Amino acid sequence: DAGVTQSPTHLIKTRGQQVTLRCSPKSGHDTVSWYQQALGQGPQFIFQYYEEEERQRGNFPDRFSGHQFPNYSSELNVNALLLGDSALYLCASSPGLSDTQYFGPGTRLTVL
Amino acid sequence: AQSVTQPDIHITVSEGASLELRCNYSYGATPYLFWYVQSPGQGLQLLLKYFSGDTLVQGIKGFEAEFKRSQSSFNLRKPSVHWSDAAEYFCAVVGRSGGGADGLTFGKGTHLIIQP
Repeated sequence: DAGVTQSPTHLIKTRGQQVTLRCSPKSGHDTVSWYQQALGQGPQFIFQYYEEEERQRGNFPDRFSGHQFPNYSSELNVNALLLGDSALYLCASSPGLSDTQYFGPGTRLTVL
Repeated sequence: AQSVTQPDIHITVSEGASLELRCNYSYGATPYLFWYVQSPGQGLQLLLKYFSGDTLVQGIKGFEAEFKRSQSSFNLRKPSVHWSDAAEYFCAVVGRSGGGADGLTFGKGTHLIIQP
């Protein structure tokens, strides 16, 4: 049984560019949450998708947007990249809106 | 809004010694609490969780945690650490709205170093 998968593993972009990160949830899970983890910090909640809609959002600007597909996979899009967007982006999934979230390995984004 | 404080940024423990990592939370209702572990460059692995009931919860890899409502704490313990326990440890709390769980709020983490 595959766990949460994310792609790509690493990504390098330049300031002002746009990026799309992808996440496939654990089998049987239909809720996907995204987190940003800056170096040396704890993860910070970006947003959560359930039933193909953004259910809740953390304190992130509109440059961060997302989508959930009918197969429950999800994308995180970041526009107009800033140097400060460099971080590990983590995807987590859960069944329904249950409390326990399972994390993927993350995508390391570097903005130059 | 909920918050989590992990007072210790770094902790060094000798292999075979006992371990306690501290976590304090702030949440208006009954908290749902978690401990996750992260090895370098990796995602987060769930160690254990507390939802209700027995305040001492057992997790994987020999870890346990005790919920103390009066102290707003959820400290992680292990009787004897192994070199493979060296990692970053995160305490987290989840809020609830609309009948379901919201995003997790994490502490800043405690970096555990194991001395031989």
